[in-house]
Amino acid sequence: KQEVTQIPAALSVPEGENLVLNCSFTDSAIYNLQWFRQDPGKGLTSLLLIQSSQREQTSGRLNASLDKSSGRSTLYIAASQPGDSATYLCAVQPNYGQNFVFGPGTRLSVLP
Amino acid sequence: DGGITQSPKYLFRKEGQNVTLSCEQNLNHDAMYWYRQDPGQGLRLIYYSQIVNDFQKGDIAEGYSVSREKKESFPLTVTSAQKNPTAFYLCASSIQENTGELFFGEGSRLTVL
Repeated sequence: KQEVTQIPAALSVPEGENLVLNCSFTDSAIYNLQWFRQDPGKGLTSLLLIQSSQREQTSGRLNASLDKSSGRSTLYIAASQPGDSATYLCAVQPNYGQNFVFGPGTRLSVLP
Repeated sequence: DGGITQSPKYLFRKEGQNVTLSCEQNLNHDAMYWYRQDPGQGLRLIYYSQIVNDFQKGDIAEGYSVSREKKESFPLTVTSAQKNPTAFYLCASSIQENTGELFFGEGSRLTVL
């Protein structure tokens, strides 16, 4: 059974730093991996979707990479801003037609 | 603007009452989902639907019921049989069942008094 973990649970950084958020999964055979952002009391906003044949996706200051052999994905945020403060969740789709499995998230605080 | 609308945003319920959470989407997506979110845990799937008049149980369906009479609508009823209903409920959709990107609504917070 696929399990998804995200370490650390919380992270605080000063504004302007480049940072990396981690997502680990137990079964390397995955179909899709998706990163989300969640603001307090709000729904999830999709950031990036990486398909199994891809190694990375980029959107603005965000870059997500996927290494299936090691069971890891990283979300890189360049030049962090206070507005980036939120909880970041990753979700793994184990195979075509299967439901996504969500990690517990990393709560990011970017200090001005 | 295309998106997913959930209502109400906040709901209070007395023990023993059923409540229904609304989810409407205008993205023309075939698949819709209901998730439950509790502090410190990942999202857990309650029910999902691929097409009208068809739906399947997720990992934690006990105490919940759904219907899918229209493509755009996927309401969730939290019944009195749900032992611990206080949670944040999220509705999502995708173009097809478990294919491609998931999109979420803003959520509904249910509190049992």
